[in-house]
Amino acid sequence: SQTIHQWPATLVQPVGSPLSLECTVEGTSNPNLYWYRQAAGRGLQLLFYSVGIGQISSEVPQNLSASRPQDRQFILSSKKLLLSDSGFYLCAWNRNTEAFFGQGTRLTVV
Amino acid sequence: AQTVTQSQPEMSVQEAETVTLSCTYDTSENNYYLFWYKQPPSRQMILVIRQEAYKQQNATENRFSVNFQKAAKSFSLKISDSQLGDTAMYFCAFMKLLTGGGNKLTFGTGTQLKVEL
Repeated sequence: SQTIHQWPATLVQPVGSPLSLECTVEGTSNPNLYWYRQAAGRGLQLLFYSVGIGQISSEVPQNLSASRPQDRQFILSSKKLLLSDSGFYLCAWNRNTEAFFGQGTRLTVV
Repeated sequence: AQTVTQSQPEMSVQEAETVTLSCTYDTSENNYYLFWYKQPPSRQMILVIRQEAYKQQNATENRFSVNFQKAAKSFSLKISDSQLGDTAMYFCAFMKLLTGGGNKLTFGTGTQLKVEL
């Protein structure tokens, strides 16, 4: 069966510090991978998606970047965090027309 | 670009009663998929129900059913016999197929549903 792992679950980082959130998928190959951010009262916003290794599409201009160094690994990064980067981040992968989500990371920038 | 609108930020319903959550969307696509996801306090996203736009028949999953009105671009969720475990944030979502591969899910802002005794 397919599973998706996302870590860490919670993170508190100072403004200006770097960020690295990792997501891995097991039990499938060549998945489409996604990073979403959930801010209070604003639903889920698609940040990045990837259809293959090294292929990253950005949906919104922002302080974050994404990379896909391996087929089933998707990383969300920032060189210098801003207060506005605080939120709940969800990794997802999809098969056909169904999406599967990780447990999420709550990021607080202080 | 696609947009999904959920106009009810919060709703409440008595246990065992029926509640309907509203969702409208805007798209120029003809082939797409619509979803309702549930997010309980654990924050895990759980698929509730899915509807293919080319199907006229409304999808049903046990106590959950949808009213899909393609011309009106409306996709409401009906929960029958509400249970305490249905308390959660509910998101309506639209999926379109991307030309370069992959699918893109666009979410509404969510409706917080509270089921009360």
